[in-house]
Amino acid sequence: DVKVTQSSRYLVKRTGEKVFLECVQDMDHENMFWYRQDPGLGLRLIYFSYDVKMKEKGDIPEGYSVSREKKERFSLILESASTNQTSMYLCAIKGQATDTQYFGPGTRLTVL
Amino acid sequence: KQEVTQIPAALSVPEGENLVLNCSFTDSAIYNLQWFRQDPGKGLTSLLLIQSSQREQTSGRLNASLDKSSGRSTLYIAASQPGDSATYLCAVLTSGTYKYIFGTGTRLKVLA
Repeated sequence: DVKVTQSSRYLVKRTGEKVFLECVQDMDHENMFWYRQDPGLGLRLIYFSYDVKMKEKGDIPEGYSVSREKKERFSLILESASTNQTSMYLCAIKGQATDTQYFGPGTRLTVL
Repeated sequence: KQEVTQIPAALSVPEGENLVLNCSFTDSAIYNLQWFRQDPGKGLTSLLLIQSSQREQTSGRLNASLDKSSGRSTLYIAASQPGDSATYLCAVLTSGTYKYIFGTGTRLKVLA
């Protein structure tokens, strides 16, 4: 079974805090994605990584950065959290030899 | 720019009914299309993936079809059960890109 884990299910932070969201996979897949999901807007891609230390901006990268130092781990960083970053954050993985995306359970982040 | 639409946004049916969920996309140059299920507050679970060269895929009571030329896919659920209640999302990978574009989903409720 594919396993994608995210560091927290629920997180509450204050405006201006630095926030780290972690995603870990056990499938040795090359591609990892960070999305945010908001009612009425669907899933929007924040960042994508296709290899260690490689990253590409998605549709809404502003206010976010990412880190991929090891193949199995992809971190999303909110440098200075703002209330409009309150959202559900979803990590996904995809192998080069497979087209199926697998998702983690999500992190519900609230910024007060 | 690829756009993905799912209609209706919400659907309620009595248990036992066969039902069809719709997904339409604007750019027919797709690489594949994937259907997901999402339970409230959870991540996405992959249901079916259809490659651009395929017309349909089946898994148990689920059947997904793809008509690339008309920009449409349908997810058919046979003999619906209360446990099928969830939001169903489709996602399209356009040829030559790495980004999946998601629809906003159809929220299904199957009444016992």
